[in-house]
Amino acid sequence: DSGVTQTPKHLITATGQRVTLRCSPRSGDLSVYWYQQSLDQGLQFLIQYYNGEERAKGNILERFSAQQFPDLHSELNLSSLELGDSALYFCASSYGVGNQPQHFGDGTRLSIL
Amino acid sequence: KNEVEQSPQNLTAQEGEFITINCSYSVGISALHWLQQHPGGGIVSLFMLSSGKKKHGRLIATINIQEKHSSLHITASHPRDSAVYICAVRDYGQNFVFGPGTRLSVLP
Repeated sequence: DSGVTQTPKHLITATGQRVTLRCSPRSGDLSVYWYQQSLDQGLQFLIQYYNGEERAKGNILERFSAQQFPDLHSELNLSSLELGDSALYFCASSYGVGNQPQHFGDGTRLSIL
Repeated sequence: KNEVEQSPQNLTAQEGEFITINCSYSVGISALHWLQQHPGGGIVSLFMLSSGKKKHGRLIATINIQEKHSSLHITASHPRDSAVYICAVRDYGQNFVFGPGTRLSVLP
């Protein structure tokens, strides 16, 4: 058990809809990272937050947004969903902002119909 | 050319064999990570390296910054080591770039 909790585990929705994925980091960790894993593109880094502030941005689409709240949990919002957004979305956490080992959640599997 | 490449793509070994998985990258990096993804999909971080060598149990990871190359070694392999092993680098822009993964099957 990594201590990182992601909800929901599975999500099925339709094109054009909006969903919110939630992540609670391991106790004591201040950084949260979001990743997308699709069959055709593999793992991709989306965004990192540290103690409520955005610290690094990867290949995150404009339709996607994220935030980290004062209690350190994070949410990834995906809007105007397209079939290609179907993927596993992982959250990971680490203590600091720099290069540190990350602890991964079990992921949220998003299916767009 | 992908920024992070791994070899081999697939690997089948007999239990007890010594295994090496290679990762080459083309960008400047601040750190390199080795990840293990189990058949069920869960991801575990094995190592984070910025120089030298690290060892944890039967796993050893090395990195050569000048040659832009890292290796993951598994000694005395076991069927429970069967998984996809993924190399990831963090570039100076703080972006993470992932390799395509190496699928390892260890047969009893």
